[in-house]
Amino acid sequence: GAGVSQSPSNKVTEKGKDVELRCDPISGHTALYWYRQSLGQGLEFLIYFQGNSAPDKSGLPSDRFSAERTGGSVSTLTIQRTQQEDSAVYLCASSQTGPDRNEQFFGPGTRLTVL
Amino acid sequence: GEDVEQSLFLSVREGDSSVINCTYTDSSSTYLYWYKQEPGAGLQLLTYIFSNMDMKQDQRLTVLLNKKDKHLSLRIADTQTGDSAIYFCAERRGYQKVTFGTGTKLQVIP
Repeated sequence: GAGVSQSPSNKVTEKGKDVELRCDPISGHTALYWYRQSLGQGLEFLIYFQGNSAPDKSGLPSDRFSAERTGGSVSTLTIQRTQQEDSAVYLCASSQTGPDRNEQFFGPGTRLTVL
Repeated sequence: GEDVEQSLFLSVREGDSSVINCTYTDSSSTYLYWYKQEPGAGLQLLTYIFSNMDMKQDQRLTVLLNKKDKHLSLRIADTQTGDSAIYFCAERRGYQKVTFGTGTKLQVIP
């Protein structure tokens, strides 16, 4: 596709369940980011993948959160034993890497609601 | 610290100028960006400036960069109701990851 896609667009789950969120970046983009946005503002960095380098996981809020990026393309963000405070919109973005401006292209997000 | 700081909220009247401010963290930042998020939508790049520039103008938008104070601003001339959105500044250092500010919600009053 032409842009970053995310699935599902909405996810409602019960407290304690595990969820998986998927991101399909733009083909050829080596950098991939996950963010969390709560209350319609506040973009919180979660994790950053850059090529084959070890991911920067410094933003993950707890060990219940993990992410993978297989084959340098699709990424999955997994939240185990979900809590109500995990409710938010989870945004994925991808970009090229290099000396140029490297604009980030954002997906539409997954709205997660934990009951 | 590592935070990129912005004020949370700005309200202006339609037709006035809006100025959104941002303080970033690293004097070695190479690119600084402004992203716009309209209600219910994802973020989109609005404009950017390379660190060797002091100013960039693009139609109604003016970006000012003060490297000494690590201060970035976005001025929107003749603000319209369609400019109501959340505006995020962001910085990038070389090939490092991009760091976003917390966003400024701009409300335009008709």
